Amino acid sequence: AQSVTQLGSHVSVSEGALVLLRCNYSSSVPPYLFWYVQYPNQGLQLLLKYTTGATLVKGINGFEAEFKKSETSFHLTKPSAHMSDAAEYFCAVSNTGNQFYFGTGTSLTVIP
Amino acid sequence: ETGVTQSPTHLIKTRGQQVTLRCSSQSGHNTVSWYQQALGQGPQFIFQYYREEENGRGNFPPRFSGLQFPNYSSELNVNALELDDSALYLCASRTEWTAANVLTFGAGSRLTVL
Repeated sequence: AQSVTQLGSHVSVSEGALVLLRCNYSSSVPPYLFWYVQYPNQGLQLLLKYTTGATLVKGINGFEAEFKKSETSFHLTKPSAHMSDAAEYFCAVSNTGNQFYFGTGTSLTVIP
Repeated sequence: ETGVTQSPTHLIKTRGQQVTLRCSSQSGHNTVSWYQQALGQGPQFIFQYYREEENGRGNFPPRFSGLQFPNYSSELNVNALELDDSALYLCASRTEWTAANVLTFGAGSRLTVL
């Protein structure tokens, strides 16, 4: 079975500070991992994905994530937070092709 | 290219009624999935359609049903609505249902059951 755990349902950072959103997964086979962002009253937008190859993946808006198999983690980072980064972030895992398993989300607040 | 569009954006129903939600997939996408996102939760997989056939289903009762049409648009039907069905319903499409292919989401239909 696959599952995703996002540690910290709410994260607050100051503008310009490092953003770190945590994601741990459980999967019986090599997973495909994704980070999505959701702005108020909108659907989910893909930030980045890991399938195979390089374990450090870069996404849109300056975000990146590193796949660490030994730690079963896929944490999302951004060196410098911007006000426009305030949103809900979801980590997801897929390995069957039929469904994605999403975490419960982390709400990011950016303090000016 | 057009993205995923859903209708209606908001609707209110009463317990026991039936509802139909609609989704037009992104051009070139033949696989459509539906997700339920309750308030404060992540999306939960309802089912997936590939070339008009259901090819995956999550832990939802049979009163949640769907259709996919030849143009790859899709419907989600929910019968005998319950209060807990209140949620944002998200449609997502992709080119094929291989695991590595990303989901492209619509903005959702927010259903309130009174």
